[in-house]
Amino acid sequence: KAGVTQTPRYLIKTRGQQVTLSCSPISGHRSVSWYQQTPGQGLQFLFEYFSETQRNKGNFPGRFSGRQFSNSRSEMNVSTLELGDSALYLCASSDMGRRLNTEAFFGQGTRLTVV
Amino acid sequence: DAKTTQPNSMESNEEEPVHLPCNHSTISGTDYIHWYRQLPSQGPEYVIHGLTSNVNNRMASLAIAEDRKSSTLILHRATLRDAAVYYCILNTMEYGNKLVFGAGTILRVKS
Repeated sequence: KAGVTQTPRYLIKTRGQQVTLSCSPISGHRSVSWYQQTPGQGLQFLFEYFSETQRNKGNFPGRFSGRQFSNSRSEMNVSTLELGDSALYLCASSDMGRRLNTEAFFGQGTRLTVV
Repeated sequence: DAKTTQPNSMESNEEEPVHLPCNHSTISGTDYIHWYRQLPSQGPEYVIHGLTSNVNNRMASLAIAEDRKSSTLILHRATLRDAAVYYCILNTMEYGNKLVFGAGTILRVKS
């Protein structure tokens, strides 16, 4: 079974630009969550999608958005990039979501650098 | 947000057991205890989870205190590949499917 695939792996963008990151979950998984990891703040939850609906959202500004398609693939978008958005963006998928004994499977992440 | 407390770092010798502690004194009856680890340059990886009873799998064992206010992740024979940041997380209805990561414990393994 293929794991969680995130593309691209690395990205360099300029301040003010926007960026779209992609995540393909494990086949059959309907829950996709996004996390941001920085040296200063650690791993922080961005949002979760389940069956194309955003079900949970973290404390990030509206510049961060996402969506999920009918095949469960998800994208997240960051508009008007700031230097502080430089981070490792991680996607995680799980099969059922909202079951507390469910494990999440993470991708290797997309390393975004804003210059 | 984070409801768990872990030591910042620990060190172990290769092929010796490692006990990684975690305190979660505010745990509620329905919260599951999850452990993930993150190897360098990788996304987090699920290790184990439990509710009340001790759990074993191919990667590790999880020992949960009787009052559930603390737990210990046990790696029976540490290898160099076990060097990682280990996160103890409470999976709680309050957060839905959101995993709240703390700072974790950096495990160093010496050969």
